[in-house]
Amino acid sequence: DTAVSQTPKYLVTQMGNDKSIKCEQNLGHDTMYWYKQDSKKFLKIMFSYNNKELIINETVPNRFSPKSPDKAHLNLHINSLELGDSAVYFCASSVQGAAGELFFGEGSRLTVL
Amino acid sequence: GEDVEQSLFLSVREGDSSVINCTYTDSSSTYLYWYKQEPGAGLQLLTYIFSNMDMKQDQRLTVLLNKKDKHLSLRIADTQTGDSAIYFCAGGHGSGNTGKLIFGQGTTLQVKP
Repeated sequence: DTAVSQTPKYLVTQMGNDKSIKCEQNLGHDTMYWYKQDSKKFLKIMFSYNNKELIINETVPNRFSPKSPDKAHLNLHINSLELGDSAVYFCASSVQGAAGELFFGEGSRLTVL
Repeated sequence: GEDVEQSLFLSVREGDSSVINCTYTDSSSTYLYWYKQEPGAGLQLLTYIFSNMDMKQDQRLTVLLNKKDKHLSLRIADTQTGDSAIYFCAGGHGSGNTGKLIFGQGTTLQVKP
């Protein structure tokens, strides 16, 4: 029974397209995150939501739009994809206020051609 | 700004001890964390240490913290081939709902039989 699940696991698309990644957690956590891991394995936070409210929005292009329909779901929509968007995107969740104790999904590998 | 640095690669023989080192700049981090990432998987929290502690031991894992030098290490005793993975050091930045993790670039641990 997967705690944090992301779909799709792999995504290959052309530059200029729009794509979405979905995330769901069944841990009852209040806070969810998107992290981006680049080709050098460097991991950086993009967004966090607490009870559907946007809390952290790092310096991310506004082509990236997260949406949280409820506290168990956090989706990421990316418009006008660019080559530099190729990365592994990880969804994570935590108990409210415990940003260090993250439960990660398995990642969604996005390749932009 | 906040920064966390690690060496990129470590190779050991099965049965030896592994020591992975990390330095950080944000002295306000209340907790420091070690995460493990196996190939094709998300990150998994291994252990963490409170900033007023010098050492924490958890079975084969020992975390040492030198707050003066802002240096954190993870020692794995009796390293096994199953320990081969990327190990990320991370510092907590901010607090409460606005807290986030700042990750190092990860140390790839290779365990040779």
